[in-house]
Amino acid sequence: AQKVTQAQTEISVVEKEDVTLDCVYETRDTTYYLFWYKQPPSGELVFLIRRNSFDEQNEISGRYSWNFQKSTSSFNFTITASQVVDSAVYFCALSNNQAGTALIFGKGTTLSVSS
Amino acid sequence: AAGVIQSPRHLIKEKRETATLKCYPIPRHDTVYWYQQGPGQDPQFLISFYEKMQSDKGSIPDRFSAQQFSDYHSELNMSSLELGDSALYFCASRGTKREGSTGELFFGEGSRLTVL
Repeated sequence: AQKVTQAQTEISVVEKEDVTLDCVYETRDTTYYLFWYKQPPSGELVFLIRRNSFDEQNEISGRYSWNFQKSTSSFNFTITASQVVDSAVYFCALSNNQAGTALIFGKGTTLSVSS
Repeated sequence: AAGVIQSPRHLIKEKRETATLKCYPIPRHDTVYWYQQGPGQDPQFLISFYEKMQSDKGSIPDRFSAQQFSDYHSELNMSSLELGDSALYFCASRGTKREGSTGELFFGEGSRLTVL
């Protein structure tokens, strides 16, 4: 069975702090995809990144970076120099490679960035 | 670029009424997913369709049904609505590798159903 665990329910930081959101996953599939989505207060789900299981390179996109480690089944997300606009719920998700199969979400981490 | 379109964006119904939500996937995407997100909850997978056939089923109540049509749009039908059905319903679409897709799942903006 597939499972995604986001142990941090809520995180509060002050602007300009760095923050890391943890994600641990479980799957028996050898080929799978990992995702991060942002859900701002307006409610839509905003795609941030997709990583396939064969690509363990870390990725950086502006203030965002992701650390994928298969050895620990983790796909952590770091925001550098956080801003108030980063306040949102962040979901980590997992999917296998088969067409039509579901994306399984973690419970989400609510990030609050204060000025 | 075209995104996933959901309608209506907001819907208010009474208990025991019926509601239908529509989803128009990104062009050339052949897979559609439905998710239900209750207040303060993570999105829960309901059902998915690949090439107009049901491909996976999650925690969809028996009162709900869905289908994907020949133009790949999908409809989620909800009957005998209950207060607990109040939620944000997301539709997502995905293209398969055969379509040259990268496998990304794109979500619509959601349809907010309120049952009174």
